[in-house]
Amino acid sequence: GAGVSQSPSNKVTEKGKDVELRCDPISGHTALYWYRQSLGQGLEFLIYFQGNSAPDKSGLPSDRFSAERTGGSVSTLTIQRTQQEDSAVYLCASSLGVGGPGETQYFGPGTRLLVL
Amino acid sequence: KNQVEQSPQSLIILEGKNCTLQCNYTVSPFSNLRWYKQDTGRGPVSLTIMTFSENTKSNGRYTATLDADTKQSSLHITASQLSDSASYICVVSAMHAGNMLTFGGGTRLMVKP
Repeated sequence: GAGVSQSPSNKVTEKGKDVELRCDPISGHTALYWYRQSLGQGLEFLIYFQGNSAPDKSGLPSDRFSAERTGGSVSTLTIQRTQQEDSAVYLCASSLGVGGPGETQYFGPGTRLLVL
Repeated sequence: KNQVEQSPQSLIILEGKNCTLQCNYTVSPFSNLRWYKQDTGRGPVSLTIMTFSENTKSNGRYTATLDADTKQSSLHITASQLSDSASYICVVSAMHAGNMLTFGGGTRLMVKP
């Protein structure tokens, strides 16, 4: 597609429920990133996928968070047993994956998650 | 620990005025520094990128500077417009794979008519 798309755009859930957030990267981009942006806070790295390599999960805040990338394209971020502190905007970005560290990342519009 | 600090946290200016946003970093080993603009409700969009050897980079009315010795960068906005109202995020990249970006907390700029 023309850009990175994310769905849903907004999600309201009850504490303790599981949620799935979806990211469709730009076609041909082999690198995919998930970030979290809490209200008034900066961007927090969560997880990074590069091609068929094992993902870098070093940013995941707890074992309730997991992500998959199927077929090297679409990615799903899953949050189990959601807590109120999980409320944030979850941003996905993709990049070509060939330009080395710091190549341009293109961000999606984000999913606004509110845990009641 | 890699850190990126931005100042001011928020700024209000009148349309047509200039402003300068600051970014200090401790990321090492340094690869490059980017400034992103994030409109409310949207994802960040890259404005400029500078490597170690570059001192300045312009993108229209946006001019970024980099002093790799003092580990400081600035983003200067000339003749501000209402559409410049956004958050401006400084992002520094280190020379290693994976979690390669360190994000600053951003400066929230509001341009008033």
